[in-house]
Amino acid sequence: EPEVTQTPSHQVTQMGQEVILRCVPISNHLYFYWYRQILGQKVEFLVSFYNNEISEKSEIFDDQFSVERPDGSNFTLKIRSTKLEDSAMYFCASRKDGTYEQYFGPGTRLTVT
Amino acid sequence: KQEVTQIPAALSVPEGENLVLNCSFTDSAIYNLQWFRQDPGKGLTSLLLIQSSQREQTSGRLNASLDKSSGRSTLYIAASQPGDSATYLCAVSAMNRDDKIIFGKGTRLHILP
Repeated sequence: EPEVTQTPSHQVTQMGQEVILRCVPISNHLYFYWYRQILGQKVEFLVSFYNNEISEKSEIFDDQFSVERPDGSNFTLKIRSTKLEDSAMYFCASRKDGTYEQYFGPGTRLTVT
Repeated sequence: KQEVTQIPAALSVPEGENLVLNCSFTDSAIYNLQWFRQDPGKGLTSLLLIQSSQREQTSGRLNASLDKSSGRSTLYIAASQPGDSATYLCAVSAMNRDDKIIFGKGTRLHILP
């Protein structure tokens, strides 16, 4: 069964560094999402992406964040200058046009030191 | 603004018992409601998705109900097993252009052998 994949599974970075989290959505899906979960807290929506542009973004998704679909398969989340509070599990999700179920990847645990 | 609340926050029950997890949401204008399972430090596994027009969904020992008008859902787990120990998340998808998922904080379930 097709699934969303994410790399790396765990990323450790120093404060102020740039990180890129990578996702490969399910191949025939057209809608893409990033969510994050700070340890012990709720899963929170960051951004949705469709037709090569952002559809919606939350207050969390400030100028330090960006998303890109650099080719036909990858969907990336970039954090330009990481802060300690960016430490979280980041989940990518995708869904097919005409349906409303989002399929989640296994997550990337980002640790900012 | 949609808020999802889950009660109780944590639950311990002896193996073999039937149990009910509760979820409430403040805005009844939803496309669907989904129950996820999350093991410690791991990703999100979708258990059941109920469309807004449906009243319940069943999968094996799991049964989820939805009462959209009152903003409530329950997840019923029959004949609980130690392997059911995990955090169960309730999440709703909004009925508007922005189809982000709003998550509850979860119920941490521990099945005692």
